[in-house]
Amino acid sequence: NAGVTQTPKFQVLKTGQSMTLQCAQDMNHEYMSWYRQDPGMGLRLIHYSVGAGITDQGEVPNGYNVSRSTTEDFPLRLLSAAPSQTSVYFCASSYTGTQKKAFFGQGTRLTVV
Amino acid sequence: AQKITQTQPGMFVQEKEAVTLDCTYDTSDPSYGLFWYKQPSSGEMIFLIYQGSYDQQNATEGRYSLNFQKARKSANLVISASQLGDSAMYFCAMRDSTGANSKLTFGKGITLSVRP
Repeated sequence: NAGVTQTPKFQVLKTGQSMTLQCAQDMNHEYMSWYRQDPGMGLRLIHYSVGAGITDQGEVPNGYNVSRSTTEDFPLRLLSAAPSQTSVYFCASSYTGTQKKAFFGQGTRLTVV
Repeated sequence: AQKITQTQPGMFVQEKEAVTLDCTYDTSDPSYGLFWYKQPSSGEMIFLIYQGSYDQQNATEGRYSLNFQKARKSANLVISASQLGDSAMYFCAMRDSTGANSKLTFGKGITLSVRP
């Protein structure tokens, strides 16, 4: 099984550019989410989804858009990249429920210059 | 609102000794799950152990055990017989059923270094 696949693994953007981070899972999970990881800050939730057509904001949603047109895919869009968005981004998926563990992608290291 | 607190500074442990990593949490939901993840220097997130709020016994997974004290709202991870490969960042996380969305919330993490 592929699990959770994130692409790309590394990306350098110029300030003001836009891009989409891709996330796909093949486990038929209802719940998908995006986190950013910064030194000393842990993993902070950007956006999440509990099913196709349903998305909601997390702790740090500004500057990011998401959509969930299928169960499998949950892309994260940076509309106009800023240096403050330099971070490591993780996609995670799981079944819904308090007892369900999340599976993570390998992460994307994004640098905005 | 959910909250996970990990306040220990970087932790050090001698190889083959046991170490406890602290985690406290806050939720008003009676039904919740607590998770620990390991992040080695390579960056991937590895699930270690799970504890449910209604579980009567502390969870164990090999050398990992969870010291769950519900009244104190703490869920400390105990690693027995530490190995060099245990050197990593460790994250405590929680999800509850507030709003039926069961968001997964993480603490800031603890860095563990195992000394030979």
